[in-house]
Amino acid sequence: NAGVTQTPKFQVLKTGQSMTLQCAQDMNHEYMSWYRQDPGMGLRLIHYSVGAGITDQGEVPNGYNVSRSTTEDFPLRLLSAAPSQTSVYFCASSPRIGSLGYEQYFGPGTRLTVT
Amino acid sequence: EDQVTQSPEALRLQEGESSSLNCSYTVSGLRGLFWYRQDPGKGPEFLFTLYSAGEEKEKERLKATLTKKESFLHITAPKPEDSATYLCAVQTTSGTYKYIFGTGTRLKVLA
Repeated sequence: NAGVTQTPKFQVLKTGQSMTLQCAQDMNHEYMSWYRQDPGMGLRLIHYSVGAGITDQGEVPNGYNVSRSTTEDFPLRLLSAAPSQTSVYFCASSPRIGSLGYEQYFGPGTRLTVT
Repeated sequence: EDQVTQSPEALRLQEGESSSLNCSYTVSGLRGLFWYRQDPGKGPEFLFTLYSAGEEKEKERLKATLTKKESFLHITAPKPEDSATYLCAVQTTSGTYKYIFGTGTRLKVLA
């Protein structure tokens, strides 16, 4: 198993450009999520999905869109990049949802710079 | 409001000097508490899940414990390779399935 994969690893965008960060998992996990990590702020949840066709907003959703058409893929779209979106982005997946919480498995991250 | 606070922010230890990292949480209900290790430039790596007060999990030099208000990550006789940032997260029973992370403890173990 490759686990959780993310592409690209690095990206530089100009203000106003749009792009999609790709995330895929091959573990048949039900739950997937996107976080951004900034110095001193910890991991903040952007969007998450509890299954194909179901997504919901996290703590910092503005400026980002997601969709989940398959169990495996959960792309994150930046609609019009802003310097405030400069960050490291992590995708994660978890086996299932239920009355007990399950651990998340993280991808290697995408380092995004917006100039 | 659900909240997770980790302390200290940073910790320097000599090799072999045992210590504990703290994760305090305020939640309406707990589905699970999770510990992760994160090395520079990498994604967090899962270490432990704890579900109920009194539970303990152990792996090599690490032991995680849980009470109703906090969790501790005990590091016994640490080695330089234990240097990393340790993250704590909770998933609550609030009706959604969001995870809330603390800001982490940066651990440096000196040889």
